[in-house]
Amino acid sequence: EVQLLESGGGLVQPGESLRLSCAASGFTFSTYSMTWVRQAPGKGLEWVSVITGGSKKTYYADSVKGRFTISRDNSKNMLYLQMNSLRAEDTALYYCAKLMPGDSPFDSWGQGTLVTVSS
Amino acid sequence: DIQMTQSPSTLSASVGERVTITCRASQSISTWLAWYKQKPGKAPSLLIYKASSLESGVPSRFSGSGSGTEFTLTISSLQPDDFATYYCQQYNGYSTWTFGQGTKVEVK
Repeated sequence: EVQLLESGGGLVQPGESLRLSCAASGFTFSTYSMTWVRQAPGKGLEWVSVITGGSKKTYYADSVKGRFTISRDNSKNMLYLQMNSLRAEDTALYYCAKLMPGDSPFDSWGQGTLVTVSS
Repeated sequence: DIQMTQSPSTLSASVGERVTITCRASQSISTWLAWYKQKPGKAPSLLIYKASSLESGVPSRFSGSGSGTEFTLTISSLQPDDFATYYCQQYNGYSTWTFGQGTKVEVK
């Protein structure tokens, strides 16, 4: 059974940094692309970033490009999201998810970790 | 960037009713479209991919259709567990993934 467990969320001030983690189990982690998706309180889903299985390619939404960095450690089955220069509009529940093979939809999701950016 | 627009934003229906949600893409995405279901306080779950392929374990009352720019999600007979918010998503291979704004299916 695929399991994804996010951690690292919390309350930070505007301009600060935070690193989110996602622990994966139940599948061969290194062979799947992974993603972060966020959901602001009471709002819809917003795709944030994708990283391929071997970390050769990364993709970002325009709203986070240049501020967020996605990475992974396949030896530890871990996915990360480094978030710098945080803004109030980055406040959201952040989900990690696993992609189906190829440039594909997201077939398994974690339960999310909440990031609040406020002074 | 490809924009995804769902309609309606809210849909009121009763158990047993047939429900249809529409999703339109701002440009052709072939059949690179997925549908997700999300219940309050829960993570989304994948229902349908490639416009009409049912994800494993998803009840057969859910179906998807369409290609190009117009797509539909149909629930043939609404069940109590189906009251939720539904999102479409395009994954056209241009290295972006875009969600629609969501359609909330509520009790009539």
